[in-house]
Amino acid sequence: EAQVTQNPRYLITVTGKKLTVTCSQNMNHEYMSWYRQDPGLGLRQIYYSMNVEVTDKGDVPEGYKVSRKEKRNFPLILESPSPNQTSLYFCASSLDAGGETQYFGPGTRLLVL
Amino acid sequence: QKEVEQDPGPLSVPEGAIVSLNCTYSNSAFQYFMWYRQYSRKGPELLMYTYSSGNKEDGRFTAQVDKSSKYISLFIRDSQPSDSATYLCAMKRSVSAGKSTFGDGTTLTVKP
Repeated sequence: EAQVTQNPRYLITVTGKKLTVTCSQNMNHEYMSWYRQDPGLGLRQIYYSMNVEVTDKGDVPEGYKVSRKEKRNFPLILESPSPNQTSLYFCASSLDAGGETQYFGPGTRLLVL
Repeated sequence: QKEVEQDPGPLSVPEGAIVSLNCTYSNSAFQYFMWYRQYSRKGPELLMYTYSSGNKEDGRFTAQVDKSSKYISLFIRDSQPSDSATYLCAMKRSVSAGKSTFGDGTTLTVKP
């Protein structure tokens, strides 16, 4: 089954404790992207990756890091989480950036205390 | 000022009504326009995309782009309760661009 998986789905952590949210796709997609969604603010793109070892900033990259060492994985790293990073995070992938269908993961709900 | 502004809603309509969802944008570099639908507690799904001015139809949905006015719309005909969701407009500089900018979303409720 074609899918994008995210782990964990829910996470409560404390300020400053480094965390990683994993994202994996099984469709051999080149393009992957991370978004955050806050009430009333739609989706905001954090980082995207056009292919292995190619990443670039979206609209809200501050406080986040990403890496793309393998095609299937695109982890989101919060080196020192702060309460303003409490949000719902979505990972997505598509064949390429112009892919008609972008597959979204189920979301990770993060609470930073 | 945000690059993409979306009518905030929420919007509540009776079943069968025609729904109009609207976004304006300030960046004339945007050339590729998308509409996503997001059901409660789910990830967004791409509903329609277009990269030219004019109308694009897909069943009960019509996407309209007016680049001269920097205005895009999504029309839903014969709306159904199953259309109840949050609708997000999004746009980018080209079909192959990696960066997308989204509107804040409009929540639609279609009442039976």
